[in-house]
Amino acid sequence: NAGVMQNPRHLVRRRGQEARLRCSPMKGHSHVYWYRQLPEEGLKFMVYLQKENIIDESGMPKERFSAEFPKEGPSILRIQQVVRGDSAAYFCASSSDRVTEAFFGQGTRLTVV
Amino acid sequence: QKEVEQNSGPLSVPEGAIASLNCTYSDRGSQSFFWYRQYSGKSPELIMFIYSNGDKEDGRFTAQLNKASQYVSLLIRDSQPSDSATYLCAVIQGAQKLVFGQGTRLTINP
Repeated sequence: NAGVMQNPRHLVRRRGQEARLRCSPMKGHSHVYWYRQLPEEGLKFMVYLQKENIIDESGMPKERFSAEFPKEGPSILRIQQVVRGDSAAYFCASSSDRVTEAFFGQGTRLTVV
Repeated sequence: QKEVEQNSGPLSVPEGAIASLNCTYSDRGSQSFFWYRQYSGKSPELIMFIYSNGDKEDGRFTAQLNKASQYVSLLIRDSQPSDSATYLCAVIQGAQKLVFGQGTRLTINP
């Protein structure tokens, strides 16, 4: 049973470009959580999604960031017009039911140059 | 006041000693508490969770919870160099949101 798969593992974007981060949850998991980790800091909650629904997006910046979890396919975190401050590690976690049983992916490290 | 606070460290402990990691939280209504370990450049992995006041032991790890003082700790007995990592404390906020502290960097010295 494969774990939570994130790709790409490393992503370099120039300022103003778009970044698309993908997360395939563990088999049987229908809950997905996205977190951002800045250097030397803890993880900050961004968004919680279930299939086709955004449940809690209280941690998402109001502009340029969006997330989806379609009926088929991976969850996507999209960052438009990236800026240097978006450089961070983005982690996805998935669970079958409660967040207490969530497993994290290996993360995508975004660098904006 | 931060929702979850940890001393960022670094905390340095000699091999074989007990490492003690501490965490305080602001929401008195919090019910569930977690300790994650994160190696440099890797993803967080769950070590332990605790819901009830008192101690919970799992191998070399003991989690301690004191809801009256809003305090959670993690003790690592017989510390090994492989325990060197950043330890993240987390609480559940609302139904499904994990709120993390900034983490404590632990170094075990051989």
